[in-house]
This record gives sequence, structure tokens and C-alpha cells, in this order.
Amino acid sequence: EDQVTQSPEALRLQEGESSSLNCSYTVSGLRGLFWYRQDPGKGPEFLFTLYSAGEEKEKERLKATLTKKESFLHITAPKPEDSATYLCAVDMNSGYSTLTFGKGTMLLVSP
Amino acid sequence: GAVVSQHPSRVICKSGTSVKIECRSLDFQATTMFWYRQFPKQSLMLMATSNEGSKATYEQGVEKDKFLINHASLTLSTLTVTSAHPEDSSFYICSASRGGALGNEQYFGPGTRLTVT
Repeated sequence: EDQVTQSPEALRLQEGESSSLNCSYTVSGLRGLFWYRQDPGKGPEFLFTLYSAGEEKEKERLKATLTKKESFLHITAPKPEDSATYLCAVDMNSGYSTLTFGKGTMLLVSP
Repeated sequence: GAVVSQHPSRVICKSGTSVKIECRSLDFQATTMFWYRQFPKQSLMLMATSNEGSKATYEQGVEKDKFLINHASLTLSTLTVTSAHPEDSSFYICSASRGGALGNEQYFGPGTRLTVT
């Protein structure tokens, strides 16, 4: 069965303490892997799309990488405003493009 | 760019009544719109996919007669929760995709908190 697993479920960092979030997937055909940020009570905010193994994308303190089995979201020198839930999703259908989400990693960055 | 709005942001209704939620893509034409629901501390669950001018495709276990979806134009989709019950209380989120060569990214609205009393 196709599956998206994110780890850890929750992560607490000190401001400036770099770390990585993991998203592993088992799908029959990957059409894209997406990272979103979600603040409490709000809709997800698009961060990155990765399409093929070896691809990397960066935005401010965030860098997303992709292999054939997993993706990492690296957070460099995080700030308290980076606190949020980070969601990973994969597009794997052959028909309409739909997303299957992982359960997310709740990140808390303390000052 | 790629801004999606939802209205209302919060709604409280009585059991047995119907509620309509609107989803609009403000600065792009959406070939496809999606409706999700999210329970507290859980991830998003896809309810249905809709394309302008055609019937929505519902995920397994989602009642199409209870959750009516209308995709009237390339910028507007509506979700009507009919005969709402307390168990329908949830956070409903829509998303829109430009599709085709412009990519399959989905851009999400801010969500609608539905409470059924």
C-alpha cells in the first residue's frame, strides 16, 4: 500500500540549532513530492515541489532534498517564527493529480 | 501569486441544517479544485476532486449526497454540507491547481472551521 511517513512527530529546537525533518514514501510511481508549512488554524502554505531524485530546492533557511525513497527538509539556524507543522505530500496517481499527506512534524523553535 | 480564499472562515450551524463553503482562486484559473477535511492534530484527508463543468470525483467513504460539490467556473468551487450533524464538525480546506505544464502544485485556502451543534 502506498504510504507517506514523516518523522519525528514533534521536534523542539533552540534558536540557531539546525536540524532535518524526514519524509519517507513507498509509492508505485512518484509524480512529485511537496512540502507545506501549516500554522495552527490555517491552511497549508506551499514551500517546495521536488520531482526527481537528486533534486534540491532552497528558500531562506529551508532546503529540501529528494532521494528515491525519502525527502529531507533541512532547517538551518531556525528562528522562533519557523515554528509550525511541516507537511509532506506525494502525488502518485496516474489519473488526476491528487496528494497523499503524511501526518506532519510539529516544529517548535525556542528563543 | 497563487492566492486561494475561502468563505466563511468560521461557521456554527444547528444539526439538520445545510452549510455552503466557497473556495475561490483569486489570481489564477484553477483547472482542478480539491476539498479536504482535517481533524485536530491529524493530517489532511482528501474528500473530493472537482474540475470545472464536470462532476466531482469523491474519495472512498465520502458520501456524495451529503457533501455536494459544485465547480461553477475556473475560479470558484463550493462545498455544501447537507443535513449537518455534530460529527461533521471539522476544519474544511480547499485547494486549487493550475495543472498541465504549469505544474501540479496545490495552493490551499485558509480553511473553514465548521461547528455543528
